[in-house]
Amino acid sequence: QVTLKESGPGILQPSQTLSLTCTFSGFSLSTYGMGVGWIRQPSGKGLEWLANIWWDDDKYYNPSLKNRLTISKDTSNNQAFLKITNVDTADTATYYCARQTGSSFDYWGQGVMVTVSS
Amino acid sequence: EIVLTQSPTTTAASPGEKVTITCLASSSVSNMYWYQQKSGASPKLLIYSTSSLASGVPDRFSGSGSGTSYSLTINTMEAEDAATYYCQQWSSNPLTFGSGTKLEIK
Repeated sequence: QVTLKESGPGILQPSQTLSLTCTFSGFSLSTYGMGVGWIRQPSGKGLEWLANIWWDDDKYYNPSLKNRLTISKDTSNNQAFLKITNVDTADTATYYCARQTGSSFDYWGQGVMVTVSS
Repeated sequence: EIVLTQSPTTTAASPGEKVTITCLASSSVSNMYWYQQKSGASPKLLIYSTSSLASGVPDRFSGSGSGTSYSLTINTMEAEDAATYYCQQWSSNPLTFGSGTKLEIK
C-alpha cells in the first residue's frame, strides 16, 4: 500500500525559507524508475508542478522557480524534501507530494497548507 | 513551455449523459495524462499514456488523442463524477498541467 504525507511549517513570513517534507511508504526511492514530485495549488486555482527527484538522484525543476527550489531525498528514511527560498505571499498554497513513475503521478499525499503572511 | 488549454472551462451534465473534455497542447506531445480532483481532495490519476485506465478507475472513463489534441470522455455521467479534471504532459520540461475543467451534475 503506497502512502505519502506532507509536512510543513503551516505559516511563515515573507523572505523566509519554506521547508517541506514528504514521508512515504509502500515504495522505495532507490528502486529503478521511482520518483517523487512536488506540486502546489493555490486556493481555488490550478495545479503547478515544482520539481521532482528520481531513484538515481536525477532532479528536475520548474524553470519559473528554479533559482528558489532545492529538492533532495533520504532514501533510507523514505523521505523527500523541498526547500523554497525567499517566499512571498504568492507562495501561499496547498503543497502536494506524489509518487511519479514515468511521466505521471499515480499516488498523491493529502497535501499541506502553507500560508505566507507578515 | 508547453501550454495546455482545456475546454470547456466549466460544464454540467445530466446522469447518463456523455461528456467530453478537450486538452489542446501548444506543441506536439507524445502522451497525455488526466486527473480528477474532487472538492477538498487530492488529485487522482485517471488516465495515463493517453488512453490507459489507471487502477480502479471505472471503464466509463476513456482517453484518446495524439499530437496536440487530446480528450477525456465519460461515457455515461454519474453524480460521483462531479469534479475538476486536469490534463498533464511531460514530453518536455517543464511538466505542465491544463487549467482545469469543472464538471457539475445537472
